Parts: sequence; C-alpha cells; structure tokens
Amino acid sequence: GAGVSQSPSNKVTEKGKDVELRCDPISGHTALYWYRQRLGQGLEFLIYFQGNSAPDKSGLPSDRFSAERTGESVSTLTIQRTQQEDSAVYLCASSLVGGAGSGYTFGSGTRLTVV
Amino acid sequence: KQEVTQIPAALSVPEGENLVLNCSFTDSAIYNLQWFRQDPGKGLTSLLLIQSSQREQTSGRLNASLDKSSGRSTLYIAASQPGDSATYLCAVRGYSTLTFGKGTMLLVSP
Repeated sequence: GAGVSQSPSNKVTEKGKDVELRCDPISGHTALYWYRQRLGQGLEFLIYFQGNSAPDKSGLPSDRFSAERTGESVSTLTIQRTQQEDSAVYLCASSLVGGAGSGYTFGSGTRLTVV
Repeated sequence: KQEVTQIPAALSVPEGENLVLNCSFTDSAIYNLQWFRQDPGKGLTSLLLIQSSQREQTSGRLNASLDKSSGRSTLYIAASQPGDSATYLCAVRGYSTLTFGKGTMLLVSP
C-alpha cells in the first residue's frame, strides 16, 4: 500500500482481556518496528523485525507482550491480560532495508485504552 | 546504549521567526538521522532524512544539519507559521536500533 496501515485505530478493552494490534507495512519493506507512546511521553521501543532474522525483542516490557511477523508481511502485536498501564498509542514503522540508507515510515497508531 | 537528547523541550515563538531545534546523540556510529513531526493525537510524519555521510538536507522552509563526529543535529525552520505548531522528534538509526529523543514541543502564535 501507499503507507503503513495500523488497525484498529482505537481500542478500548477491559482489564485482563487480551488484545491484538495489527500493522500492514509498506509492500517490500523488510524492517518493521513497534513502539509504544504513553500520554505525554516519548517513544518507547518494543520490538524490531528484519526480514527472516530473529527479531530483537529487547524492548518488550513483560512476557504479556508478544509480536509476530511472517517474512515481510503483516505484523501483529499481542498483549495478554491487559493492565491499565498498557494504555498508550502503539506505533508501527517500516523501512525498505534493515541497514543504512532508508528512513522509516510510521503508521497512524492504535490508541489502546484499558479500563 | 544510544541516548538522544532534544533541546529545548518546549518553544513558543511569534509567527515569522526563524528558529533552531537541537538534537544530540551519544554514539556517533549511526547510519542516518531522521526528523519527524507529530501533531497531537496523530502518528509521525517524516520531515527530513540525513545519511551519515551527509552534512545537511533541505525541504522547503526546513533545513537539517548533521555533525556526526560531535553527535549533533539541528533543524532550522525559516519564517515560522502557526501550522508549524507540533512536536518535533529526532531519531537516530544504528545497526538495528532507531532511538528517539523526547521531542521539542513548538507553538507558533499568530
């Protein structure tokens, strides 16, 4: 597609429920990042995918968070047993190559509210 | 671990002023540096991308410079307009990392 697409744009869920967030990167982009932005805060790195390499999961805050990506296609971020502190905007970005050269294009994000 | 600092955290100027936003980073081993704009409740819009081998990039009223050896970048906005009001983010790309600063919140009043 023309840009990075994220769905849903907004999600309200009850504490303890699982949620799944989706990111459709730009076609052909091999690198994909997930970030979290809490209200009034900066961007917090969560996970990085590059092609078929093992993902860099060093930013995932707990084992309730997981993400998948098959090849260069769609990625899903799953949060199990959601907590109120998970409320944030979850941003996805993709890039043409994993190394030097390319900038990143961000999606509009998913605003998650845990009540 | 790469750390990115943006100064000032907030800036309020009258329309028409030229202004400079600063970004510094601790590890000079970067591939590129990218400036983004974020409007309230929105995602990030890319403004300028500077490769590590470049010194500056220009787009319209925006000019970004990069001094990799000293770990600094500046974003220059000429003849500011109220529509420039937003948070400006600097992001530095390493091998597998994209590290953001906390941003500069800019308000341009008419």
